Amino acid sequence: AQTVTQSQPEMSVQEAETVTLSCTYDTSESNYYLFWYKQPPSRQMILVIRQEAYKQQNATENRFSVNFQKAAKSFSLKISDSQLGDTAMYFCASHTNTGNQFYFGTGTSLTVIP
Amino acid sequence: KAGVTQTPRYLIKTRGQQVTLSCSPISGHRSVSWYQQTPGQGLQFLFEYFSETQRNKGNFPGRFSGRQFSNSRSEMNVSTLELGDSALYLCASSLGIYNEQFFGPGTRLTVL
Repeated sequence: AQTVTQSQPEMSVQEAETVTLSCTYDTSESNYYLFWYKQPPSRQMILVIRQEAYKQQNATENRFSVNFQKAAKSFSLKISDSQLGDTAMYFCASHTNTGNQFYFGTGTSLTVIP
Repeated sequence: KAGVTQTPRYLIKTRGQQVTLSCSPISGHRSVSWYQQTPGQGLQFLFEYFSETQRNKGNFPGRFSGRQFSNSRSEMNVSTLELGDSALYLCASSLGIYNEQFFGPGTRLTVL
């Protein structure tokens, strides 16, 4: 089984600043996918960004980027120019090609302060 | 395309009762997964169905069961409810392995 660890239960950031959310994972698989999902208060969970493990280049989606360190099994999410709408619970998740399930971390609650 | 829908959105039951939750995936999606979300525990995987077959199951007791119909709609059943079953139950659909999962709004189950 895989494990995904998010060691920061809560974080806050000033509007327009940059924040980094940490995630580590443990897998023996060689091919896997990593994801960051966002769950705004009382709203549906949506995908923020996705990274294929075989790709060395870090994924980027507008203000969201990841720092993927495969050897260290680390997958952090950087949010630049934080906006009030970024306030949400963020979940890190992994998925391998031998299983049919996603493994989620316990989440990081991010609050953007105006 | 319509998103993933879950019914009902809110449910209140008492201990010992059973409950059935429903999930309609995005049109064309054949994979449906169920998760239990509780504060501090994150999302715990319940099971995943693909083309009416359960492909994977999480570490939950047999009181939790599910099924998928030929139109990919899925139901989850919890029998003999316990207080600890109070949670947000999320359904997610996808085209298949490696594809992004699209989540529904969830069903908030409260067991009294």
